[in-house]
Parts: sequence; C-alpha cells; structure tokens
Amino acid sequence: NAGVTQTPKFRILKIGQSMTLQCTQDMNHNYMYWYRQDPGMGLKLIYYSVGAGITDKGEVPNGYNVSRSTTEDFPLRLELAAPSQTSVYFCASTPAAAGETYEQYFGPGTRLTVT
Amino acid sequence: KQEVTQIPAALSVPEGENLVLNCSFTDSAIYNLQWFRQDPGKGLTSLLLIQSSQREQTSGRLNASLDKSSGRSTLYIAASQPGDSATYLCASAGTYKYIFGTGTRLKVLA
Repeated sequence: NAGVTQTPKFRILKIGQSMTLQCTQDMNHNYMYWYRQDPGMGLKLIYYSVGAGITDKGEVPNGYNVSRSTTEDFPLRLELAAPSQTSVYFCASTPAAAGETYEQYFGPGTRLTVT
Repeated sequence: KQEVTQIPAALSVPEGENLVLNCSFTDSAIYNLQWFRQDPGKGLTSLLLIQSSQREQTSGRLNASLDKSSGRSTLYIAASQPGDSATYLCASAGTYKYIFGTGTRLKVLA
C-alpha cells in the first residue's frame, strides 16, 4: 500500500491563479481530510469528507473547494490564490465510522507559496 | 468548541533525560487522543493512539496517558535521544474530526 499520496510536493503561485492539490489513498478509507499548517502552528481543518459524494466545511474553508467523486480521491481546489493561502497542506484519511476508534494517516504534504 | 493546548511550546533537554509533554483539551467528549511526531519539513507520523476507554498506551520508550475527566493527556519519553528531536502534536478526535494542538518543539542535546 502506498498509503496517502499528495501531488505536487511544492508549488509557487501568483496571486489570482488557480490550482488543484491532489490527494489519493489506497486503503479504502471512507473519511478524508484537508488541513493547512502555518509556520509554528498546529493543523487547521479546511474540509472533510465522510464518503464519496459527501463533503463538509472545517474550521477554515474560505477560498477553497473540494469534491469527492470516488473513495480514493479528494482534490482541493484554490480558485483565486491569495498570499494568506501560503501554507503547507496535508491530506489525511481514516477508516469508517463514527464511534469506532480510528487512526489518522497523513500524506507528505504540499508546500504552497503565493506571491 | 473543542480547544487543544500544548505546553510547553518548546523544550530543550540533555540526552538521557526523561521528559513529559502535556496536552489539554476543553471538551471531554472525545473518541480518542492521538500523538504525532513531525520532523522539520515533513508530514506527521502517528506515535500513539489512546481510545477514550483507555488510560494509557505504550510503545517502546513512549508512554501516553489520558484523563478525560480533567481534559489532559501526557506523552512521556524515557531516556531521550538526539533522534527524538522533533515537534510533537496531540489531536483529539470528535465525531468525524480531529482538533490539533499547536505542538511542542523538542530538542535533545547530545
């Protein structure tokens, strides 16, 4: 199993550009998450999904969009990049279901700079 | 709203010392508490997960405890080594979501 993979590893965007951060997991996990981590800070939840076709907002969703058309993939879209979106982005996944113990598995992250 | 706090923010110790990292959370209705390690410029590696019904978990030189009633978890590292230098994050699991602390940056001096 590759686990959780993310592409690209690094990206520099100009203000106003758009891009999609890719996330794929091969563990058949229902739950997937997108976080951002600013320097010296913990992780903040952007969006999450409890299964294909179901997504919901986290703590800091503004400026981002997600989709979940398959169990494996959970892309994060930035439509109009702003300097405030400079951060490291992590994708994670967990097995189903609420009430059970689930461990989060993380991808290696995407380091995004918006200038 | 769940808030997770980690104290201290940074810690520097000589090699061989035993040390304790602290994690506090405001809402005791959690499913589990997970500790992670993060090396500079890297992703998160899971260290220990304590289920809400458990009091502690151990892995090698690491021991994590959970006291839901007081809203606290501790990570105990025995006989610290320079290779333990990293940032340690705790996260509480509620329904569907994890809430993370800001981490403790640990440096073990040789």
